[in-house]
Amino acid sequence: DAGVIQSPRHEVTEMGQEVTLRCKPISGHNSLFWYRQTMMRGLELLIYFNNNVPIDDSGMPEDRFSAKMPNASFSTLKIQPSEPRDSAVYFCASNPGHTEAFFGQGTRLTVV
Amino acid sequence: GDSVTQMEGPVTLSEEAFLTINCTYTATGYPSLFWYVQYPGEGLQLLLKATKADDKGSNKGFEATYRKETTSFHLEKGSVQVSDSAVYFCAFWMDSSYKLIFGSGTRLLVRP
Repeated sequence: DAGVIQSPRHEVTEMGQEVTLRCKPISGHNSLFWYRQTMMRGLELLIYFNNNVPIDDSGMPEDRFSAKMPNASFSTLKIQPSEPRDSAVYFCASNPGHTEAFFGQGTRLTVV
Repeated sequence: GDSVTQMEGPVTLSEEAFLTINCTYTATGYPSLFWYVQYPGEGLQLLLKATKADDKGSNKGFEATYRKETTSFHLEKGSVQVSDSAVYFCAFWMDSSYKLIFGSGTRLLVRP
């Protein structure tokens, strides 16, 4: 398996634009997590899914953020409209339940 | 609520020095415990894990023992190398909440 795959690796966008980050979890894993990492706030859990269903989205910072998991092999995190303070590295991770999570390489988002 | 506390960084050591990074957790029940490592520009990688009390996880010369009585999982290495310079994250998984909780990370810098 190729591991957790995220795209794009880097994204630069202008303030106000819509941004969509993509994640393909490891096949057979039934939990998926979205994290955001910044120097100031460290690693924050935004939302996680179990069997494609959002379980806890209390970490999503505001209504501009939304996440979907239409099937077991794909998830998106959308920011609309984007703001400079959304600049961060966004990680997706998956696990088969009750064990360690496997992380993607991350998407570095810069909003100018 | 559930949380992980790990020592503040950065930790700066000379090559071949002994390393300890402290980690304690607050959780209801008996979680699985992990240490992850993040090298510059990369995602998080699992370093080692322990799933029950008194288990010792080990990998690449690093060790950590699951201490239920002190709710701790301190990371140790007898002789660090320059290549160990990275950020280390303590984490735990709760079956009851399907949640993976991370500490704030500790940056390690090893000087030649």
